[in-house]
Amino acid sequence: DTEVTQTPKHLVMGMTNKKSLKCEQHMGHRAMYWYKQKAKKPPELMFVYSYEKLSINESVPSRFSPECPNSSLLNLHLHALQPEDSALYLCASSPTVLAGGTDTQYFGPGTRLTVL
Amino acid sequence: RKEVEQDPGPFNVPEGATVAFNCTYSNSASQSFFWYRQDCRKEPKLLMSVYSSGNEDGRFTAQLNRASQYISLLIRDSKLSDSATYLCVVNPNTNAGKSTFGDGTTLTVKP
Repeated sequence: DTEVTQTPKHLVMGMTNKKSLKCEQHMGHRAMYWYKQKAKKPPELMFVYSYEKLSINESVPSRFSPECPNSSLLNLHLHALQPEDSALYLCASSPTVLAGGTDTQYFGPGTRLTVL
Repeated sequence: RKEVEQDPGPFNVPEGATVAFNCTYSNSASQSFFWYRQDCRKEPKLLMSVYSSGNEDGRFTAQLNRASQYISLLIRDSKLSDSATYLCVVNPNTNAGKSTFGDGTTLTVKP
């Protein structure tokens, strides 16, 4: 079962709100990812966690704060977002993050975020 | 030059047609290659991994040409349900965890 789940499916928030996106996988994968995708563009990597440790931060603004409480869960905490942060936020997981590349990534259905 | 470049598209083909997409990559040390499909407002779904020996899954065939640094996807006997955006994904030899996505090629299969 190659399933990654994400909640909520949709989120509308104001610029002063604090919210969190959640991602879960039960495939035993040890690498988890957050991507941001704007319309008609490919996914853009934000963060990578490998064995529950942050291994890549693609210079993401601090208003986005990732957290990996355990190997199955990944959160993205949002605070003081801007309207231009409105996008589809995708979580993905892969079995490992290999030294020479990555395993196949499996994506969750995404959270469609609108910032007013 | 982009690290991964795909045919710009869009491709509009009739049902039953054969269509091929190409994707070129600039990093000769790239290790692994994938095709994903993405339906409108949905997540990318893995279509195929791409191997040097080529691989086939039903109507879909993927090829890798390391010498010329491109991968291809061939779809035979196109169905209406094949309409989607096809993303080429390349994993480098460094920066473990950082895949490079092409911009995608949009395919519309018409009755």
